[in-house]
Amino acid sequence: QSVLTQPPSVSGAPGQRVTISCTGSSSNIGAGYDVHWYQQLPGTAPKLLIYGNSNRPSGVPDRFSGSKSGTSASLAITGLQAEDEADYYCQSYDSSLSGFVFGTGTKVTVL
Amino acid sequence: QLQLQESGPGLVKPSETLSLTCTVSGGSISSSSYYWGWIRQPPGKGLEWIGSIYYSGSTYYNPSLKSRVTISVDTSKNQFSLKLSSVTAADTAVYYCARHVRDTAMVQDWYFDLWGRGTLVTVSS
Repeated sequence: QSVLTQPPSVSGAPGQRVTISCTGSSSNIGAGYDVHWYQQLPGTAPKLLIYGNSNRPSGVPDRFSGSKSGTSASLAITGLQAEDEADYYCQSYDSSLSGFVFGTGTKVTVL
Repeated sequence: QLQLQESGPGLVKPSETLSLTCTVSGGSISSSSYYWGWIRQPPGKGLEWIGSIYYSGSTYYNPSLKSRVTISVDTSKNQFSLKLSSVTAADTAVYYCARHVRDTAMVQDWYFDLWGRGTLVTVSS
């Protein structure tokens, strides 16, 4: 079981805003370590979506945004589109486990 | 642009050693800005970091797998490799290689910015 907990699923209608939480603890997010987000479209490899809590790589639409506060982080998708249907994972580092950890993953469904 | 491609057997017998290679094309593996990592994903499940290596051979391993994992690098071939020993059915997964960005002095803040397509390895007799 991962030390970073995400809701199993979130859904929204096209054009709506959805948020995905990533809840950690004092040994990972709460320790000040950066949180990164990945999008995994069905049957494909993960793709970097957000790095360093809130930075978007070149080519990622500004509909995607990230934030971090305390022991949690969030990914927001505004103006939801059908192509955003995918699994989303957060990633950070855990000092108790001495390694890089991924969240449990969230499936986004566009209604 | 830079690409990563995993290769290796798709079927491994229980108790044997899983061996995979990642070939980096379109750029040099000997960059000071990156480590190179392995991540796996069991069917229908989440992602698990296995370990990462620098072109010099310096490594970081997931402590939960460290006793069974060896990651090596061959800069002359622009490749890095994974060996996982004593495999069981629990090691069945899609294995990804990825570029591990070390853009800060804090190892803890590194992330994976480019991924290979992944290769499914099934452990079965």
